[in-house]
Amino acid sequence: QKEVEQDPGPLSVPEGAIVSLNCTYSNSAFQYFMWYRQYSRKGPELLMYTYSSGNKEDGRFTAQVDKSSKYISLFIRDSQPSDSATYLCAMTPNQAGTALIFGKGTTLSVSS
Amino acid sequence: DTEVTQTPKHLVMGMTNKKSLKCEQHMGHRAMYWYKQKAKKPPELMFVYSYEKLSINESVPSRFSPECPNSSLLNLHLHALQPEDSALYLCASSQGVVRETQYFGPGTRLLVL
Repeated sequence: QKEVEQDPGPLSVPEGAIVSLNCTYSNSAFQYFMWYRQYSRKGPELLMYTYSSGNKEDGRFTAQVDKSSKYISLFIRDSQPSDSATYLCAMTPNQAGTALIFGKGTTLSVSS
Repeated sequence: DTEVTQTPKHLVMGMTNKKSLKCEQHMGHRAMYWYKQKAKKPPELMFVYSYEKLSINESVPSRFSPECPNSSLLNLHLHALQPEDSALYLCASSQGVVRETQYFGPGTRLLVL
């Protein structure tokens, strides 16, 4: 079983839709959870990060972490064509010298 | 400012060439990273520098040689690469050794002929 599982998609939605992106993980030591957005041929851009369980909201984006289920989500409200990108979840334990573990990324396409 | 810059943006090199990739950040971050990313795959960690010292080498072949001249700069020296080394090379930085928020540069797209 991979440490982080993420459905690669592709996921296609119409403009204005609510998008739900998810990752599951197996390592209960993970404490920090991040979502990155990567446009084609560009570097990943940090969107959200959350420590431990709970919700965090930033504009149209909401990140949720459920440590009991080992499940994290990113919701995008009122999706726009400019949201079309690959979304990578990433996580790490709160320990020095440990790597950031990425999911495979979900490719999202928002049509106008 | 959360900017990490990388040069060059694109690089084409032959298998006998020697080239270097450069990365710079001015956020006062003390940890810097090199990642390799193949198409439709997540980034794979190569090296981690913490306080200008190499702290992690993820079993990367010796044809890749990292260097951290100071706390703002990170280089990746390339020599005798193989075509399968063609990829997007990403630099990232974070506040400290607990790497909970890494900021990535735009990457260098490398093609080895």
